[in-house]
Amino acid sequence: DARVTQTPRHKVTEMGQEVTMRCQPILGHNTVFWYRQTMMQGLELLAYFRNRAPLDDSGMPKDRFSAEMPDATLATLKIQPSEPRDSAVYFCASGLESNQPQHFGDGTRLSIL
Amino acid sequence: QKEVEQNSGPLSVPEGAIASLNCTYSDRGSQSFFWYRQYSGKSPELIMFIYSNGDKEDGRFTAQLNKASQYVSLLIRDSQPSDSATYLCAAYGNKLVFGAGTILRVKS
Repeated sequence: DARVTQTPRHKVTEMGQEVTMRCQPILGHNTVFWYRQTMMQGLELLAYFRNRAPLDDSGMPKDRFSAEMPDATLATLKIQPSEPRDSAVYFCASGLESNQPQHFGDGTRLSIL
Repeated sequence: QKEVEQNSGPLSVPEGAIASLNCTYSDRGSQSFFWYRQYSGKSPELIMFIYSNGDKEDGRFTAQLNKASQYVSLLIRDSQPSDSATYLCAAYGNKLVFGAGTILRVKS
């Protein structure tokens, strides 16, 4: 089965450090999404891309977060500098189109100390 | 008002019963609707999607959509303990918005 692959699965780092999360979408999927999930806020959309172009990053704190898609097989989400409130599970998902089912990766569990 | 609302639960049903999960949405322009299942510590997994008014069945699962009432539901027949999870409803208008999820517990 085709899967969305995320790395790393877990990340523990100190406040102020740069964090980079990576995602390989399912081959052939045109849309890629980044979500953050916490107990308090649930699943929140941070950013999404269609054909590698960023379409919506309104859910992302612009001062410290950035999302890019350097090629069709790689999406990245960076946090710099990281803060304890960024601790969450970050999911990447991909789909054929924005209005069609999205398939999620296993997530990156991030802890900022 | 949240864009997609679900009862947080937990909803407890005995094994073999029908579990009924409900969801309402506020954006009348929403076109596509999805149900995801999420086990604790795991990623959301697509269960059903529905685009048109009415019912859509897949095995033990039935999704129901009523656009006039802005209401989506998921029925799980012959509930099993392995169905115990959080069920997320999502609606797509110009972006996909998730509800907070309903915790389902199936007791054997």
